[in-house]
Amino acid sequence: DIQMTQSPSSLSASVGDRVTITCRASQSISNYLNWYQQKPGKAPKLLIYAASNLQSGVPSRFSGSGSGTDFTLTISSLQPEDFATYYCQQSYSIPGAFGPGTKVQIK
Amino acid sequence: QITLKESGPTLVKPTQTLTLTCTFSGFSLSTSRVGVGWIRQPPGKALEWLALIFWDDDKRYGPSLKSRLTITKDTSKNQVVLTMTNMDPVDTATYYCARQTSGSYPRLDYWGQGTLVTASS
Repeated sequence: DIQMTQSPSSLSASVGDRVTITCRASQSISNYLNWYQQKPGKAPKLLIYAASNLQSGVPSRFSGSGSGTDFTLTISSLQPEDFATYYCQQSYSIPGAFGPGTKVQIK
Repeated sequence: QITLKESGPTLVKPTQTLTLTCTFSGFSLSTSRVGVGWIRQPPGKALEWLALIFWDDDKRYGPSLKSRLTITKDTSKNQVVLTMTNMDPVDTATYYCARQTSGSYPRLDYWGQGTLVTASS
């Protein structure tokens, strides 16, 4: 099975900062990579699919890139509502493993 | 409007079987390449992919829990049921169901609100 890792596990940032989160797969997954945002007590929300495709309704400050084994999620200008935990998920094969998450906190 | 909602017991005793139902609306599980999956999240921990059932009744399970899980669907009722046998306190978690849409790239695009299940005597 494919394993997913993320770095950092947490970060502190200020409103307006550019934030980058990295996700790595244990083997090549082409661009079968999704990103989700989860706020406390809420279900995850799909942000990006196929590594770089923005889900409908998601603000354009979110972007994704990468292919193969290395991927990034970038928030170009962090907003107050973006403080949350972010998970990557591979959809190349079943089971669709999630990464361990990256918590974005207020500095 | 697509919605999903999980239902089932909030408390189960160790060794008992957990049965969770996902009731959805706004899409059909008879539509090609659509699936409904289950994902869980222990308190303060990460998401864990559990199981998925496709429109054609193809069923897939995560390897660590495969022997304990069964997923079924009732297309006429718009429901997907997950059973997990031999519950243990480590199975305490919020359980989510979600729609998987494929197209060319599978993704979980709609999620239920989740249901917290506690396994304790």
